[in-house]
Amino acid sequence: GQNIDQPTEMTATEGAIVQINCTYQTSGFNGLFWYQQHAGEAPTFLSYNVLDGLEEKGRFSSFLSRSKGYSYLLLKELQMKDSASYLCAVGDSNYQLIWGAGTKLIIKP
Amino acid sequence: IAGITQAPTSQILAAGRRMTLRCTQDMRHNAMYWYRQDLGLGLRLIHYSNTAGTTGKGEVPDGYSVSRANTDDFPLTLASAVPSQTSVYFCASSDSSQNTGELFFGEGSRLTVL
Repeated sequence: GQNIDQPTEMTATEGAIVQINCTYQTSGFNGLFWYQQHAGEAPTFLSYNVLDGLEEKGRFSSFLSRSKGYSYLLLKELQMKDSASYLCAVGDSNYQLIWGAGTKLIIKP
Repeated sequence: IAGITQAPTSQILAAGRRMTLRCTQDMRHNAMYWYRQDLGLGLRLIHYSNTAGTTGKGEVPDGYSVSRANTDDFPLTLASAVPSQTSVYFCASSDSSQNTGELFFGEGSRLTVL
C-alpha cells in the first residue's frame, strides 16, 4: 500500500531551527510537496522537490532523497506565526497526491 | 482576487438529507479536486476532474457525486448524508500545465451530520 509517515507533533523554541521529517512508500513518484496549514484554515503551498537535494526558499528549506524515500522540511529562525501543521504529500504514478497526516508544530517563546 | 470560493462555510445536517457543497474558482485552472480532512488522517481525495466535462473517483468516493459542467464550478453532492461524512471538506484546483502541480485550496466547508 501507499504510506506517508511524519511525526504527529513537535515543539520548538522561537528563534531556533526545527527539522520535520517525512518518509514515504508510494507506487511511483512524481514529486514531493510540503504544505503549511494554520488551525482552521486551508493548506498553503510551501515547497516542491522532484530531484534529490536541497531546495531553499527564505527561512524554509526542503530536502529530498528518492533512494531513501525521505524528505525533510527545515525551518530556521522560528517565529510564533510558524505554529501550524505541516503536511507532506507525494505525487504517485497517477499524479494524484498521497498525503501524510501532518505534523503539528508548536512554537514556544 | 478570489481564488477558490466554497459555500457554505459550515453546515449542520440531519442524516438522510441531501447536501451540495459548492466550489467556484476564477483562476481558469483545468484540474479541480474535493478532499475531506479528518483528525489524525491525511487529506483524502473524494473525486477529481482533470478538465471540464470529465470526473474521476478518488480514494473515498462512496456516498459522494460530482459534476464539472464548466471550468469554474465543481459541486460536491451527498445524496443521503450519514454521520461518518462529518468532516471538513476542501475544494482545490491546479493548473495542470505546470509541472509543480501546486494545489490552491478553498477555505473549507465544515459539515456535521447528526
